[in-house]
Amino acid sequence: AQSVSQHNHHVILSEAASLELGCNYSYGGTVNLFWYVQYPGQHLQLLLKYFSGDPLVKGIKGFEAEFIKSKFSFNLRKPSVQWSDTAEYFCASLMDSNYQLIWGAGTKLIIKP
Amino acid sequence: GAGVSQSPSNKVTEKGKDVELRCDPISGHTALYWYRQSLGQGLEFLIYFQGNSAPDKSGLPSDRFSAERTGGSVSTLTIQRTQQEDSAVYLCASSKSGASYNEQFFGPGTRLTVL
Repeated sequence: AQSVSQHNHHVILSEAASLELGCNYSYGGTVNLFWYVQYPGQHLQLLLKYFSGDPLVKGIKGFEAEFIKSKFSFNLRKPSVQWSDTAEYFCASLMDSNYQLIWGAGTKLIIKP
Repeated sequence: GAGVSQSPSNKVTEKGKDVELRCDPISGHTALYWYRQSLGQGLEFLIYFQGNSAPDKSGLPSDRFSAERTGGSVSTLTIQRTQQEDSAVYLCASSKSGASYNEQFFGPGTRLTVL
């Protein structure tokens, strides 16, 4: 079955640390990949997305993600996190350009000031 | 402009009762989606509307769940004879069309608790 897995359910970092959140998908066909973020008390919002072209995608707030097809991965990175990055991060995929987003379980990120 | 809105924000009900959850999408968005988020899990797709029709109802977990959309706008998700396992946050999203490249914009969700 098609699935998305996020390996870390909880991550705690200090401000200015570098961040990498893992995301792997299981599907051999065409995939479109997304990272969504949910800040405390707010709606889910799109951080970045990959459809085709440059596998290194830049999103809002200094986040980026790299699509590595051979590893079925789409890890989220940020070189230096801030306290305001405390949130829950979700990886999701669309497979074969279907509209049905398949979601990972999410990673709760806590940044210590 | 206004985003996706959902009501109620919280709903507590007794097992066996019916509930209705409402979603008001962004004006002009033809595609509408319902998802469910259970505690500690990712979002689970329930149903997709393009206009008023639902080409994909495959995610509805049982025949107690139904949804409709009228006038290409507001959608209602109905759960009949609620069970405790229905407790979750129900999220609605809308997009300009059902094409995969259109971003889905999410509402704040309705937290349903079945006692």
